[in-house]
Amino acid sequence: AQSVTQPDIHITVSEGASLELRCNYSYGATPYLFWYVQSPGQGLQLLLKYFSGDTLVQGIKGFEAEFKRSQSSFNLRKPSVHWSDAAEYFCAASGAGSYQLTFGKGTKLSVIP
Amino acid sequence: DTGVSQDPRHKITKRGQNVTFRCDPISEHNRLYWYRQTLGQGPEFLTYFQNEAQLEKSRLLSDRFSAERPKGSFSTLEIQRTEQGDSAMYLCASSLRVQGNEQYFGPGTRLTVT
Repeated sequence: AQSVTQPDIHITVSEGASLELRCNYSYGATPYLFWYVQSPGQGLQLLLKYFSGDTLVQGIKGFEAEFKRSQSSFNLRKPSVHWSDAAEYFCAASGAGSYQLTFGKGTKLSVIP
Repeated sequence: DTGVSQDPRHKITKRGQNVTFRCDPISEHNRLYWYRQTLGQGPEFLTYFQNEAQLEKSRLLSDRFSAERPKGSFSTLEIQRTEQGDSAMYLCASSLRVQGNEQYFGPGTRLTVT
């Protein structure tokens, strides 16, 4: 079955520190991959996406993600976290030709001033 | 581009009552999706429209749920005879029919069934 796994439920980092959020997927073929961010009580905002090509993709708010086929991973990174980055982050995948997104359970990010 | 909008943002209802939610997608988007998100979980797919045609429904969408997109623009999601287990955030998203199918989400409607 197709699935997306985010191994970390909650991560706490200090402001200014680097961040890496993990995401692994299980699909028959390489899916389209996405990272979304959700602030409390809000909808989801698309941070970045990977369809094909360059395995390092840049997104909004200074985020980037690296696709690694050998590890079935699509980890999200940011070199220096700001307090406003505190939110919940969701990794999602969609099979080529499909229309529905499969989400991980999310990673809640807390930022210590 | 005004984004995806949803109405109402919050709804409190008593068990057994019917509720209806509305979603207005980004104007040029021909695909529209409904997802449900419960506490501590990622969103789960419910149903999908391409223009006015409902092309797929998840098994999560019981017979008490019905969705429409009558003119291929806005959509409604109705829940009949609500149950406490229906309490969740209902999210709407829209996309263009292009490679990757990136979806843009609305702010959601939070339903509480008492």
